[in-house]
Amino acid sequence: DQQVKQNSPSLSVQEGRISILNCDYTNSMFDYFLWYKKYPAEGPTFLISISSIKDKNEDGRFTVFLNKSAKHLSLHIVPSQPGDSAVYFCAASANMNTGRRALTFGSGTRLQVQP
Amino acid sequence: KAGVTQTPRYLIKTRGQQVTLSCSPISGHRSVSWYQQTPGQGLQFLFEYFSETQRNKGNFPGRFSGRQFSNSRSEMNVSTLELGDSALYLCASSHTSGGRETQYFGPGTRLLVL
Repeated sequence: DQQVKQNSPSLSVQEGRISILNCDYTNSMFDYFLWYKKYPAEGPTFLISISSIKDKNEDGRFTVFLNKSAKHLSLHIVPSQPGDSAVYFCAASANMNTGRRALTFGSGTRLQVQP
Repeated sequence: KAGVTQTPRYLIKTRGQQVTLSCSPISGHRSVSWYQQTPGQGLQFLFEYFSETQRNKGNFPGRFSGRQFSNSRSEMNVSTLELGDSALYLCASSHTSGGRETQYFGPGTRLLVL
């Protein structure tokens, strides 16, 4: 049962254009969402996050949008650069009974930015 | 601060063997989580340790185990290796700020089971 889904395994965009990566979740208890970026042979690196009390968070070229009613979030990269080519993972967390938050990851979307 | 380090980076084993992977968290981080990444499966959560205690566990068989030492370093052990255990094993240490936790990943250990 995949609680966090990234339905597009890959995405290709032209340099300078917008990249939009999508993520859907099913667990209504999730209240904190993160995006990680992963290059080959490296571990994922934290990119940007958003709390469920917000619907948008922006950090430079990266903006994450959250639509709670649709249980959907998206990551926008504008403008896209060749160095953005990587696998992007969406992750969600919920406050557990123990007070512990556990992260649930999507399967990732491979972004390729063409020069 | 130095990042999360994992050793070894690459490992080749045969079926039936056992393997131990090591993770050193970022200084000051007390929580260490382990994930398995296989193609098309994303990151599957294995377990999390905090102050030498397993605090959370994913849905993996008992062949997968771990521990954490007093200096927060953690080890993961897989016994009786199977071909399907071939994967990238990632360790992450985390800190909480403003009630929000962010995980920082190491480069991973790539395990190949023949």
